[in-house]
Amino acid sequence: AQSVTQLDSQVPVFEEAPVELRCNYSSSVSVYLFWYVQYPNQGLQLLLKYLSGSTLVKGINGFEAEFNKSQTSFHLRKPSVHISDTAEYFCAVSALAGGGADGLTFGKGTHLIIQP
Amino acid sequence: DARVTQTPRHKVTEMGQEVTMRCQPILGHNTVFWYRQTMMQGLELLAYFRNRAPLDDSGMPKDRFSAEMPDATLATLKIQPSEPRDSAVYFCASGAGQGFKQYFGPGTRLTVT
Repeated sequence: AQSVTQLDSQVPVFEEAPVELRCNYSSSVSVYLFWYVQYPNQGLQLLLKYLSGSTLVKGINGFEAEFNKSQTSFHLRKPSVHISDTAEYFCAVSALAGGGADGLTFGKGTHLIIQP
Repeated sequence: DARVTQTPRHKVTEMGQEVTMRCQPILGHNTVFWYRQTMMQGLELLAYFRNRAPLDDSGMPKDRFSAEMPDATLATLKIQPSEPRDSAVYFCASGAGQGFKQYFGPGTRLTVT
């Protein structure tokens, strides 16, 4: 079984400032890591994923994340945020099952609030 | 721009009634997931299918929930009888190949009174 901990339920940041959203995971098997974004009253959209290879992954909208196996972390970063980045961000993990990905296990989410 | 579609988008029903939610995955995607989102529990996996075969439904209350894929273009999630604690947003997602990139639908917001 896997679990995901997002350490901050809410992160307020000023516009154009950098931000880091923290995520730690626990699993007894190898997992794949994801960050999703949810805008109000919408479904989830994939920001980026780590399956293998380089531990620094770049995603859409200027976001990037770094996989750290020893610390079991996958923190999300952006060097300069915009008002449009205000949303809920979910870290998630998935393992291999049945020849492909099994379902996602999500963290509780971090609400990113951009202040002008 | 291919998308996952879900119907209905909103549903209000009384306790004890049957509820059916439908999902049309992106054409060609062979993996379909059902998730539920509530304030208290967050996002939870209910069930998923690969090539229309159920692989895991351990997240579903077995006595009242059922999920099926009658064909490759339709997935259904039924609740019978519904209860107020089932009030949530239900998301369907689909993926191709090994399914590591999941595309989410807009969700069905269910309110059971």
